[in-house]
Amino acid sequence: AQSVTQLDSHVSVSEGTPVLLRCNYSSSYSPSLFWYVQHPNKGLQLLLKYTSAATLVKGINGFEAEFKKSETSFHLTKPSAHMSDAAEYFCVVKSILTGGGNKLTFGTGTQLKVEL
Amino acid sequence: DVKVTQSSRYLVKRTGEKVFLECVQDMDHENMFWYRQDPGLGLRLIYFSYDVKMKEKGDIPEGYSVSREKKERFSLILESASTNQTSMYLCASSLGGTSGSGEQYFGPGTRLTVT
Repeated sequence: AQSVTQLDSHVSVSEGTPVLLRCNYSSSYSPSLFWYVQHPNKGLQLLLKYTSAATLVKGINGFEAEFKKSETSFHLTKPSAHMSDAAEYFCVVKSILTGGGNKLTFGTGTQLKVEL
Repeated sequence: DVKVTQSSRYLVKRTGEKVFLECVQDMDHENMFWYRQDPGLGLRLIYFSYDVKMKEKGDIPEGYSVSREKKERFSLILESASTNQTSMYLCASSLGGTSGSGEQYFGPGTRLTVT
């Protein structure tokens, strides 16, 4: 079964410093991976996705993630945090179901706090 | 832009009541999903549907049922609400098949409180 593990439930950074949100995955085949973001009282928004093309994936708002097969990781990074980045971030893996179709399995989330 | 709408942002119900949560998407997506979101647990899949009148159990279907009579609409039903069903409920939709990225589009959520 496909699964993801988000290694930190809370991360706190200062504005202007780098952001690193860690995610490890488990998959029996080449995975499709996503990062979603949820701002307070808002719905989930796709940040970026990896679907076996380039291993370095660029997303919205300056975020990027690197797929590392040898480390089974898909960490999310941003060079310089902004106050508006404060949100909850979810690492997600796609599963292909035997009956057809697919589903997403979510990590437990990382709450990012950005301080002045 | 894909739009997924949910009938209520906030809902308060009493224990034992029957509760209907409605979700509508406007992009002709084949797949629709219902999740619940709880702190520290992420999103957990309750039910999903590949097509009209089709439904599949997700990871936590107990206490819930669903209905999909039209392609654009997917309803979640709590037959007899209980306090442990107090949660945020999220609906999502995606294109069908297995070859696509699987990206799902989410509604704003319904925060349900059962007292």
